Parts: sequence; C-alpha cells; structure tokens
Amino acid sequence: QVQLQESGPGLVKPSETLSLTCSVSGGSVNSGTYYWSWIRQPPGKGLEWIGYIYYSGSTNYNPSLKSRVIISVETSKNQFSLKLSSVTAADTAVYYCARSVSPRPGWSNWFDPWGQGTLVTVSS
Amino acid sequence: DIVMTQSPDSLAVSQGERATINCKSSQSVLYSSNNKNYLAWYQQKPGHPPKLLIYWASTRESGVPDRFSGSGSGTDFTLTISSLQAEDVAVYYCQQYYSTPFTFGPGTKVDMK
Repeated sequence: QVQLQESGPGLVKPSETLSLTCSVSGGSVNSGTYYWSWIRQPPGKGLEWIGYIYYSGSTNYNPSLKSRVIISVETSKNQFSLKLSSVTAADTAVYYCARSVSPRPGWSNWFDPWGQGTLVTVSS
Repeated sequence: DIVMTQSPDSLAVSQGERATINCKSSQSVLYSSNNKNYLAWYQQKPGHPPKLLIYWASTRESGVPDRFSGSGSGTDFTLTISSLQAEDVAVYYCQQYYSTPFTFGPGTKVDMK
C-alpha cells in the first residue's frame, strides 16, 4: 500500500523560497501510471491544487502559481519536491502531496492517497 | 478554470437522519466519449488529509460505507449520507478532474444536531 510523507521546514521568511519533499513508500514514482501532485490548504480554508509531475519530469502547474512553482522528481530517492519562490503570508498553509492515476497521457484521475500534510508558516 | 460551488456551507443533522450536499461546476465535467463525470468527493476531519469517498461522481471507493452515495451529471452533483453517524462529522469537498487546473469546491461542514 503506497504511503506519502511530506517533509521540510515549518517556517519560511517572506520573500524566500519554500521547499518541501514528498517521500513515497510502497510504490514507485518511476511509474508511468501515476501523476504526483502538491495541494495546499490555508488554515481554516479550502483546497488548492498547485501542480503535478509525471515520472518523466513533465509538469502541469496551476496558472495562479505557475510563475513561482517548480515541481521536480528524484526517482533514485523515490521522492518528488516542491519549490515555491517569493513567498508571502498568503502562502501559509498545510501542504499535501498526493497521487493520482493517469489512465492515459495528459489525463489525471482523483487524488488518492494523500500524505498527512505539513504546515508551513511564512513569517519573519 | 472550472469553478466549483457547494451548498449549503454547513448543515446540522440528527443522528440517523439524511444529509444532502450539493456541488455545482461552472461547466460540464461529463466527458462525452466515455460518458463519465470527472468528479470526486472527499471527507476531511480536523487534523487529517482529505479522504476519497466517491469518484466518477457515483462510484464508492473501496471500504467506504454504503450510506455514502453520489449522484448527478454534467454540472450538478449531490453527495448523500443516508443515515448520519457520529463519525461522519467532517467537511466534505467536491473536486473536478476534467481539466487543469483541478479545482475543489469550498467545502460543506456537516455537524450533528
């Protein structure tokens, strides 16, 4: 059974870059069957999809964040990562990583499973 | 972007009674070539990640109690909890996976009356 676990700093200063890693166990990121996503949730608010990556390295980002986001995959470590630059207080959120099935290139299904999430606070 | 809306924002239901949550998409999420609605429902309890309940608008995920059911097509969808149990107190989200950016509804909070 695949499990995902987010890790990274819980506090980031304004204007700096948020960096998180999602470690995958019980499955491989090096699979053509899945997309690997980042999703965030500000405290007390709803869910926002940030973007996904395919094992090949191809990505798809939410246009609302595209200019500041980089998602990468490291197949040797069975991990994928998120970098969000020029953060502000509005980027304070619980960040989740999640997997979705890709039934065919360019298509993604629902998110399952999800990691437990990690709270990142942007503050000086 | 496909905008997802949900109603009501919150509801309180007595144990054993029915809870109904509505979700509307700003454009159809029905893919004509396979006649599938690209819509999922999730349950989120405090301090936990969302849990998949329903996909393809009406297919229950393995292990999800059969008191949860999904219905609807095109732009209008419903999640029904037929007999609310204490453990169903949570926030429920719909999500479209028809097109990127994938988007979620704002959530509906279900409480026990």
